[in-house]
Amino acid sequence: NAGVTQTPKFQVLKTGQSMTLQCAQDMNHEYMSWYRQDPGMGLRLIHYSVGAGITDQGEVPNGYNVSRSTTEDFPLRLLSAAPSQTSVYFCASSYSRRTEAFFGQGTRLTVV
Amino acid sequence: GENVEQHPSTLSVQEGDSAVIKCTYSDSASNYFPWYKQELGKRPQLIIDIRSNVGEKKDQRIAVTLNKTAKHFSLHITETQPEDSAVYFCAATDPSSYKLIFGSGTRLLVRP
Repeated sequence: NAGVTQTPKFQVLKTGQSMTLQCAQDMNHEYMSWYRQDPGMGLRLIHYSVGAGITDQGEVPNGYNVSRSTTEDFPLRLLSAAPSQTSVYFCASSYSRRTEAFFGQGTRLTVV
Repeated sequence: GENVEQHPSTLSVQEGDSAVIKCTYSDSASNYFPWYKQELGKRPQLIIDIRSNVGEKKDQRIAVTLNKTAKHFSLHITETQPEDSAVYFCAATDPSSYKLIFGSGTRLLVRP
């Protein structure tokens, strides 16, 4: 049972480049989210999904896109990377809106 | 939308002492309040949660209390041990959506 799997673990991008962070879960969870973690600012919600085909914006959605074509996968796209997007990104999934969220191992992204 | 504030940002205690971390939330309709522990370089993991129909919940050395009237909840760790050293996050579920909103985190250091 893999849980929530994120790839890659580390990534360096140049300003203006695009990339996709991958997230997959094998627990058949309907709810999935993306967070970014910056020092002193906790975990901030970027986008979330309550099921396949349904996504919505979180607290800091600008510069990011998501899609949810299957229950298992929830990729996060950076359209044109900026240094302000340097952060650690976590994907999470949960069975319902009032149960434990399981986190992936994180992706450390540096934009130069 | 929901806003969660967490205090203190850092907390240093002697091994064996108790530690208390406090959070406040803005939306009186919020109904789920989890606490996560994040060790250095690791992913956040749930340690305890409480729902709005309960005032207190305990799990061995950890307890959480909820005051709905004042819109605040607290994490209590008794008989602290060096392995309790980590960053702790509180969170609250926005009742109008799935958004799980986190506080800014408390870095707990337990001195041997």
